[in-house]
Amino acid sequence: DGGITQSPKYLFRKEGQNVTLSCEQNLNHDAMYWYRQDPGQGLRLIYYSQIVNDFQKGDIAEGYSVSREKKESFPLTVTSAQKNPTAFYLCASKASGIYEQYFGPGTRLTVT
Amino acid sequence: AQTVTQSQPEMSVQEAETVTLSCTYDTSESNYYLFWYKQPPSRQMILVIRQEAYKQQNATENRFSVNFQKAAKSFSLKISDSQLGDTAMYFCAFIIYNNNDMRFGAGTRLTVKP
Repeated sequence: DGGITQSPKYLFRKEGQNVTLSCEQNLNHDAMYWYRQDPGQGLRLIYYSQIVNDFQKGDIAEGYSVSREKKESFPLTVTSAQKNPTAFYLCASKASGIYEQYFGPGTRLTVT
Repeated sequence: AQTVTQSQPEMSVQEAETVTLSCTYDTSESNYYLFWYKQPPSRQMILVIRQEAYKQQNATENRFSVNFQKAAKSFSLKISDSQLGDTAMYFCAFIIYNNNDMRFGAGTRLTVKP
């Protein structure tokens, strides 16, 4: 089955720790995205990548980092510099030449 | 700045009835795509319908249709014959041609009542 997987579904961390969220796709999509979703707000773009070894900051990149070493994978690291990391994180991808994005199931991160 | 506004934080509808969700957007560009996404309680984002700005004909997908008014920058979603499974958050979004920055509204929580 083709799709986007995110793991884990729920993640708990202590304040001050870095944590990495996984995103993998087998759709052969070139572009991948990370969004943050908070209650009462729409999705906000953290980072995106159009090709391997290249990525761009979105609106709220501070405190986050990414890598794109393989086309299929786009992990997101939430660093200790992120002041309010507790949120729902969504990964998405899209194929070249089209505009709709397809989403993974999300990861709920709780930092205490 | 490109913005999307969904003015109805919550709505409810009786099963089998019709409901319309509102969306307005602001952009100075003329070429873009518009989308409605559904996020049920599972939180999986699902594409419902898409509209290309250059097309005057309103998009339709089964029970879902849009009313696209380009001059008014309005993109409403109509759900006919509402079903319990339509209960979800609905997000309006748009993206400009040759751009990677999709903009989302804050969402409308729709509850379908039996």
